[in-house]
Amino acid sequence: DSGVTQTPKHLITATGQRVTLRCSPRSGDLSVYWYQQSLDQGLQFLIQYYNGEERAKGNILERFSAQQFPDLHSELNLSSLELGDSALYFCASSVSRTGGPGETQYFGPGTRLLVL
Amino acid sequence: QQQVKQSPQSLIVQKGGIPIINCAYENTAFDYFPWYQQFPGKGPALLIAIRPDVSEKKEGRFTISFNKSAKQFSLHIMDSQPGDSATYFCAASAEGGGSQGNLIFGKGTKLSVKP
Repeated sequence: DSGVTQTPKHLITATGQRVTLRCSPRSGDLSVYWYQQSLDQGLQFLIQYYNGEERAKGNILERFSAQQFPDLHSELNLSSLELGDSALYFCASSVSRTGGPGETQYFGPGTRLLVL
Repeated sequence: QQQVKQSPQSLIVQKGGIPIINCAYENTAFDYFPWYQQFPGKGPALLIAIRPDVSEKKEGRFTISFNKSAKQFSLHIMDSQPGDSATYFCAASAEGGGSQGNLIFGKGTKLSVKP
């Protein structure tokens, strides 16, 4: 168990809808990362927050947004959902801001999103 | 643009064999190379990592070999066991700001170790 929790585990919704995925980082971790894992694209970095502020953006669509709250939990909002958004969404956390060399990212169990 | 290329996509070995997974990178600014292990239904978990100032690192049955000039690194699993059956991801990141400081993953290798 990594100490990172994600809810819900599974989510089934329809095209055009909006969903919110939730992540609680490990105790003491200030950085939260969101990743999308699909069969064709693999694991892709979406966005990082550090202590409530956006720190880095990756391949995140404009229909997607995220935020990190004062208690450090994070939410990933996916709107105007398309079939191609079906994927596993992982949250990871790390201790500090850099998220770079030498800093381990701890992954949660993921949320499996199915858009019908 | 795929910055970290991983091969093979899948690998089947017998128990006790030594599976080798290879990764190649393009960005010379990368200076941290972790390997993650992922079991079905679970999130990836850090297995072992290396910096480019060493050519090899061992942790238990897992060894990373690193070739800076070739921009390649590989994972060797000694005396592989059925419990090692999982998907393995290599990754890379660079110190500094922006998304380059975040992990760029290879596409993964599904390893199956037969009893």
